[in-house]
Amino acid sequence: KNEVEQSPQNLTAQEGEFITINCSYSVGISALHWLQQHPGGGIVSLFMLSSGKKKHGRLIATINIQEKHSSLHITASHPRDSAVYICAVEGADGLTFGKGTHLIIQP
Amino acid sequence: DVKVTQSSRYLVKRTGEKVFLECVQDMDHENMFWYRQDPGLGLRLIYFSYDVKMKEKGDIPEGYSVSREKKERFSLILESASTNQTSMYLCASSLYPGRDPGKLNTEAFFGQGTRLTVV
Repeated sequence: KNEVEQSPQNLTAQEGEFITINCSYSVGISALHWLQQHPGGGIVSLFMLSSGKKKHGRLIATINIQEKHSSLHITASHPRDSAVYICAVEGADGLTFGKGTHLIIQP
Repeated sequence: DVKVTQSSRYLVKRTGEKVFLECVQDMDHENMFWYRQDPGLGLRLIYFSYDVKMKEKGDIPEGYSVSREKKERFSLILESASTNQTSMYLCASSLYPGRDPGKLNTEAFFGQGTRLTVV
């Protein structure tokens, strides 16, 4: 069974800072997802990656298949980026989720 | 240990069949969600429920219905399965945000997913 580790668990930063959230997994996967969950519980899928790098607005996600590692970066962070960010990996036994990173961006 | 349990990990059904996907949570959460996940499209919300017998359509409700007769159980129903409903289905639950004002975010908990194939 895949083990997914996210770090940090909690992160508080000031508006404008560059943010990095990391995700490591133990077994080879077919895809990795980054999810964003806002207060209220709604979940938005930010990225799905199987290789390389993707960018959407101020968000960048990278994955290194050999090292079994992915990072989510937020440039010019804003208080509306405050949310829980969840890494999920897709493998032979379905989806395995990280425990999430609670991000708070202070004005 | 908190749990969101989906009734099946893998399911194969025939076109036209009525399909029930069951989700049970033991955390007394008000909110429950059904998502489907497709390559290149990510997770998309089908329906959610914020209380017993209450439901709201998500982004892609067409072809689906839901049932929430008890707080712990949220069922997704495919009235007449079609091949374009072949997908990974994910259930989630979370606490209603107003219940614990000390929490900035209400963490969602997920089931393990049901991979449904309609043939």
